[in-house]
Amino acid sequence: SAVISQKPSRDICQRGTSLTIQCQVDSQVTMMFWYRQQPGQSLTLIATANQGSEATYESGFVIDKFPISRPNLTFSTLTVSNMSPEDSSIYLCSALGPGEDQPQHFGDGTRLSIL
Amino acid sequence: QKEVEQNSGPLSVPEGAIASLNCTYSDRGSQSFFWYRQYSGKSPELIMFIYSNGDKEDGRFTAQLNKASQYVSLLIRDSQPSDSATYLCAVKPGPNAGNNRKLIWGLGTSLAVNP
Repeated sequence: SAVISQKPSRDICQRGTSLTIQCQVDSQVTMMFWYRQQPGQSLTLIATANQGSEATYESGFVIDKFPISRPNLTFSTLTVSNMSPEDSSIYLCSALGPGEDQPQHFGDGTRLSIL
Repeated sequence: QKEVEQNSGPLSVPEGAIASLNCTYSDRGSQSFFWYRQYSGKSPELIMFIYSNGDKEDGRFTAQLNKASQYVSLLIRDSQPSDSATYLCAVKPGPNAGNNRKLIWGLGTSLAVNP
């Protein structure tokens, strides 16, 4: 299975600032996803990162707040913009493939706290 | 609205017993089914996946799928304290779903194995 590296692993940020999270996969993958997981909750999909085109966002998430890039088949970034305390969460990158019937695997996550 | 339901628990079993975790899903056309384990403060880790009706065994873990009844279960034999975690069920919707590339996640079942 693919090895997924995510950084930073954690950060503490000031209100109103932005943070970019990077996700690197050690092999080419079909799909990459960004999730948010708040304490004691299950996973919430933010968006699907599409290679070479705009990300596909889930209901309740918008590009202005969570811009995503995926310049190639092994790398993606998620930016959390204009952060507020409500954005404090764990952000997870996952990858699927090659082949769409393969399981998703996850990076170690980014634990984000907003002061 | 495609749904995946799990009993939140906590499910408590003694060491050495069989832990049985259940998951039901609403989309009858669902094709692939995944079990993830998540330790507190860690990212989800794939345990098992199953595509066909019946049982699939891997070491102490057995996944059971019954598409007619729309449920999938995970059995953990000879449970160990190290199995204590939250177990997430995820389902890939069928081809008629709006976006069947993303997984539909349950809220997870907390398992505690007592020494």
